[in-house]
Amino acid sequence: QKEVEQDPGPLSVPEGAIVSLNCTYSNSAFQYFMWYRQYSRKGPELLMYTYSSGNKEDGRFTAQVDKSSKYISLFIRDSQPSDSATYLCAMGSGGYQKVTFGIGTKLQVIP
Amino acid sequence: DTAVSQTPKYLVTQMGNDKSIKCEQNLGHDTMYWYKQDSKKFLKIMFSYNNKELIINETVPNRFSPKSPDKAHLNLHINSLELGDSAVYFCASSQRGQSGNTIYFGEGSWLTVV
Repeated sequence: QKEVEQDPGPLSVPEGAIVSLNCTYSNSAFQYFMWYRQYSRKGPELLMYTYSSGNKEDGRFTAQVDKSSKYISLFIRDSQPSDSATYLCAMGSGGYQKVTFGIGTKLQVIP
Repeated sequence: DTAVSQTPKYLVTQMGNDKSIKCEQNLGHDTMYWYKQDSKKFLKIMFSYNNKELIINETVPNRFSPKSPDKAHLNLHINSLELGDSAVYFCASSQRGQSGNTIYFGEGSWLTVV
């Protein structure tokens, strides 16, 4: 079993839809969780960072962490064509431990 | 100002050649990384340096040798390139203890070995 599981998609939604992206993980030592957005032929850019369980909102984006279920989500409200990208979840346990990435979900928002 | 910059962005070279990719960060971070993203888009860590000291060395062929002259620079040298080395290589940095070691990536270097 991989440490981090993420459905690679692709996921196609109409403009204005609410998008739900998810990851599951197996390492209970993970304490902090991130979502990155990667446009084609670009480097991943940090979207959201959360520590431990709970919700965090930033504009149209909401990150949710459920440590009891080892499940994290990213919600995108009022999705726009400019949101079309690959979204990678990432998580780590701090210190010198490495950050582990999911494989990324490719999202396409259709105008 | 580019926070993490790496050069070259594109590199096409023949099998057996030796090549280097350079990376610099101006974020004042103490930790730098090299990641490899393969054709399936999976992002995998190769090396991590903290204050010029090697911290993480994943199972990478010893043809790959990182060098960190100072904490703002981490270069990657690859000897005897093979077809399977074709991938995108990302340099990244973070500050230990800051926002859970949140990682900031460069734009990537597209390596094609022919």
